Amino acid sequence: DSGVTQTPKHLITATGQRVTLRCSPRSGDLSVYWYQQSLDQGLQFLIQYYNGEERAKGNILERFSAQQFPDLHSELNLSSLELGDSALYFCASSVGTSGGGTGELFFGEGSRLTVL
Amino acid sequence: TQLLEQSPQFLSIQEGENLTVYCNSSSVFSSLQWYRQEPGEGPVLLVTVVTGGEVKKLKRLTFQFGDARKDSSLHITAAQPGDTGLYLCAGAVANAGKSTFGDGTTLTVKP
Repeated sequence: DSGVTQTPKHLITATGQRVTLRCSPRSGDLSVYWYQQSLDQGLQFLIQYYNGEERAKGNILERFSAQQFPDLHSELNLSSLELGDSALYFCASSVGTSGGGTGELFFGEGSRLTVL
Repeated sequence: TQLLEQSPQFLSIQEGENLTVYCNSSSVFSSLQWYRQEPGEGPVLLVTVVTGGEVKKLKRLTFQFGDARKDSSLHITAAQPGDTGLYLCAGAVANAGKSTFGDGTTLTVKP
């Protein structure tokens, strides 16, 4: 158990819909990262928050947005969903902006999104 | 853009064999992590290497960081079916805000 909690574990929805994925980081971790993993693209970095502020952005689509709340949990919002958005979405947490200088990430079990 | 290339992409071996997987980049990293991921689960951190030339051992797994901190290898001795999984390397640059992941090596160890 990494200590990172993600909900829901599975989500099936239709094209055009909007979903919200939730992540609670490990106790004490201030940074939250979102990654997308699909069969043909590996782990793709989406976005990082540190103590409530956006710190780094990757290949995140404009239809996607995220935020980190004062209690440090984070939500990833995916809207106008397309078939290609079907993937595993992972949240990871770390102590600091880049893992406390070591880059160590602790991952949740992921949310599997299926868009039909 | 920092890219990490892992090889081989797929590896299927018999129980008891040794293997090495590689993680290469043209970029220098402050640290490099190896993760193992099983189907339907999140990656689990195995090790972090920080110093060029560093070697770390974790039971039957030996990790090495290249002298120039651009590449790394993972060697498994006497592989067991429980070693089956996706092995990912990730490079981090201090204060860059993200880790860059390689595409992984899928290892299958047959009993």
